[in-house]
Amino acid sequence: QVQLVQSGAEVKKPGASVKLSCKASGDTFSSDYMNWVRQAPGQGLEWMGMINPSGGRISYAQRFQGRVTMTRDTSTSTLYMELSSLRSADTAVYYCARSNNDFSSLDYWGQGTLVTVSS
Amino acid sequence: DIQMTQSPSTLSASVGDRVTITCRASESISYWLTWYQQKPGKAPKVLIQKASTLQSGVSSRFSGSGSGTEFTLTISSLQPDDFATYYCQHYNSYSGYTFGQGTKLEIK
Repeated sequence: QVQLVQSGAEVKKPGASVKLSCKASGDTFSSDYMNWVRQAPGQGLEWMGMINPSGGRISYAQRFQGRVTMTRDTSTSTLYMELSSLRSADTAVYYCARSNNDFSSLDYWGQGTLVTVSS
Repeated sequence: DIQMTQSPSTLSASVGDRVTITCRASESISYWLTWYQQKPGKAPKVLIQKASTLQSGVSSRFSGSGSGTEFTLTISSLQPDDFATYYCQHYNSYSGYTFGQGTKLEIK
């Protein structure tokens, strides 16, 4: 069984950066493809990017290119996502999620981290 | 990029009703379609993958069908716990995970 536990809520000012974490339990983290998905208040789900097991290959959604950085630490089974140049439109709940074996779905999700961007 | 469009955006129904939600892809995606259920304040949960494969532990009241560009999620007899928001999702290696805009299922 995989469990993903995310870091706590953040409040940031416009222009700042935020770095979120997602700690995995279970034996498969070293071989799992991991993702970040966000959800603005009252809105739908938006995929941000995926990182491969070694962290050597990362795919970002085009709209976040240049502002997002995803990394992982296999020694601590922790996934990170840093988003820079924050604006109010980045206020959202951010989820980490695991891709299943054939990438067809995101089968395990963290509990979500609320990031509020406000002056 | 492939676009996923769900209809309706909101659906009002009663306990015991049979309901259907539709998801259309802007081009053929074969059977590579997943359905999720999301409740307020919670992460999404996989219901059905590959268009019609029920996820382990999910009630058999949920079923999925379709291929190509048109897909449906059917709930055979609505229970109080089913009132939630439902999303379809497609993955490809070019654009990653693409979600529909969601269908909110409300109590009539």
